Amino acid sequence: GDSVTQMEGPVTLSEEAFLTINCTYTATGYPSLFWYVQYPGEGLQLLLKATKADDKGSNKGFEATYRKETTSFHLEKGSVQVSDSAVYFCALSDQGQAGTALIFGKGTTLSVSS
Amino acid sequence: DTEVTQTPKHLVMGMTNKKSLKCEQHMGHRAMYWYKQKAKKPPELMFVYSYEKLSINESVPSRFSPECPNSSLLNLHLHALQPEDSALYLCASSQVPRQRNEKLFFGSGTQLSVL
Repeated sequence: GDSVTQMEGPVTLSEEAFLTINCTYTATGYPSLFWYVQYPGEGLQLLLKATKADDKGSNKGFEATYRKETTSFHLEKGSVQVSDSAVYFCALSDQGQAGTALIFGKGTTLSVSS
Repeated sequence: DTEVTQTPKHLVMGMTNKKSLKCEQHMGHRAMYWYKQKAKKPPELMFVYSYEKLSINESVPSRFSPECPNSSLLNLHLHALQPEDSALYLCASSQVPRQRNEKLFFGSGTQLSVL
């Protein structure tokens, strides 16, 4: 079945450092890919998405490119801030018979210190 | 209004209690979801409602009973839960079911503790 694999955390960085969180996927169809972020005590918020190969999603300085040849959707940010500390989930959505629902990776905890 | 509102935010219940979790959205979304999230784990899908009809039940035990009274409301009725059911329960909605690129909007969740 479809699945998402994320790099194990936690990731600990200093403010203004470069961030990469790796994500690869397995899917039989042509999924859409997402990054969601979860701040402490809150639900998930969509950070960015890409719906087809070579699409680049971007938001709040974060970027990820849908790479079909490597089945990857790595999250990057050039300069992280303390406020970026959160758990980041890579997810895919593939149209199923009864509807569609997200399949999540295990999540990567990012901790940014000043 | 781009919010999914969940109540209560916190719930403590005994194993013999009956309680309900509530979820509401006024975005006109026609798909609504329940997810369960254990600490430091990703959300796990429990149920999907599509146009107010249950379309996915991920083999959830019968002590969890979902209900969708109308297109804006989603309930999760709880009865005879076990301590291992303690988790964050997240509600989500999306505009159109069966679309793979649909964005899900999540509520803040109900943190449930079963004693």
